[in-house]
Amino acid sequence: GNSVTQMEGPVTLSEEAFLTINCTYTATGYPSLFWYVQYPGEGLQLLLKATKADDKGSNKGFEATYRKETTSFHLEKGSVQVSDSAVYFCALSHSNTGKLIFGQGTTLQVKP
Amino acid sequence: EAQVTQNPRYLITVTGKKLTVTCSQNMNHEYMSWYRQDPGLGLRQIYYSMNVEVTDKGDVPEGYKVSRKEKRNFPLILESPSPNQTSLYFCASSPWTGKDTQYFGPGTRLTVL
Repeated sequence: GNSVTQMEGPVTLSEEAFLTINCTYTATGYPSLFWYVQYPGEGLQLLLKATKADDKGSNKGFEATYRKETTSFHLEKGSVQVSDSAVYFCALSHSNTGKLIFGQGTTLQVKP
Repeated sequence: EAQVTQNPRYLITVTGKKLTVTCSQNMNHEYMSWYRQDPGLGLRQIYYSMNVEVTDKGDVPEGYKVSRKEKRNFPLILESPSPNQTSLYFCASSPWTGKDTQYFGPGTRLTVL
């Protein structure tokens, strides 16, 4: 069945460090891929998405490229800020049911 | 402002006492869904609805009911809550199904004693 695996956290970085959060997926066909972010005490917000192979999603300095050959959608940011501290979820959407299949989430803590 | 709202945001209740968590969206979205979030498990879909009067089970529907009498509202009903339903619940909506972006509400933290 379809599934998403994220690197386990928590990830702790200093401000201005480079961020990578790994995400791999298992799915037949061509799912859409998403990164959602959850700030403390809030709901999930879409961070970026990609709908087909080799697409690059980007937003707020974050990027992720849809790699079908490696079934990956790794999240990257060149220079993190304290305000980026949050939980990040990788997800895929594939079927006509509209169901999002989430990874377990990765907590990022950025220290000044 | 386009948004998904949920009420209540926090609820503590006891086993067996029926409760309803409301969800409303003002974006005229066809599709609505409920998820629960548990540590280490990410989010899992409980129920979804593709349109008014059309609902179907997600991955973890046991112990829950839903209804979709109006396009904007999609309440989640727990007829007889149990402690294993203690969780953080999110409602979401999207223009259509398939690969659309889903927009999430702020969440409802439920504790069942």
